[in-house]
Amino acid sequence: NAGVTQTPKFQVLKTGQSMTLQCAQDMNHEYMSWYRQDPGMGLRLIHYSVGAGITDQGEVPNGYNVSRSTTEDFPLRLLSAAPSQTSVYFCASSTRGLGEKLFFGSGTQLSVL
Amino acid sequence: GENVEQHPSTLSVQEGDSAVIKCTYSDSASNYFPWYKQELGKRPQLIIDIRSNVGEKKDQRIAVTLNKTAKHFSLHITETQPEDSAVYFCAARVRGGADGLTFGKGTHLIIQP
Repeated sequence: NAGVTQTPKFQVLKTGQSMTLQCAQDMNHEYMSWYRQDPGMGLRLIHYSVGAGITDQGEVPNGYNVSRSTTEDFPLRLLSAAPSQTSVYFCASSTRGLGEKLFFGSGTQLSVL
Repeated sequence: GENVEQHPSTLSVQEGDSAVIKCTYSDSASNYFPWYKQELGKRPQLIIDIRSNVGEKKDQRIAVTLNKTAKHFSLHITETQPEDSAVYFCAARVRGGADGLTFGKGTHLIIQP
């Protein structure tokens, strides 16, 4: 049981490049979400999903897309990377209501130059 | 939307002493209040949570208290140990809200030997 797996752990992009952060969970959790963590800002919700085929925007969705074709996977796409997207990204899942008892992945440290 | 304020941003205590971290929230409809611990370079992990129908909850050396009238909740750690050194985040979720958790900005707890 691996829990929540995120790849890659580190990534450097140039402004304007696109990429996908991968997130997979093997706990059969319905709820999955993406957060970004910036120094002194806590964790902010980007997008979330309450089940396969259902996604919605969180607090800071601009510049990001998500999809949920399976229960296990919830990738986050950066469409055209900007320096303001330099951050640590965490994927999280839970079996309870949205936000309850979150299990976090190990994070992706992204730098946009 | 919900707003969560967390204080202090840094807290230094002697090993064996108690530590208290305080959070206030703005939306009286919030009904779920978790606390996460994040060690340096690691993922956040849930350490305790409380619902709005409960005033206090304990788990060994950790306790959380909730004052709904004043809209604040606190984390209490007794008999602090070196492994308690970490960043602690409080969060709140609005009942029926689809936005998941709103996090505070974090408290860096330092345990002095």
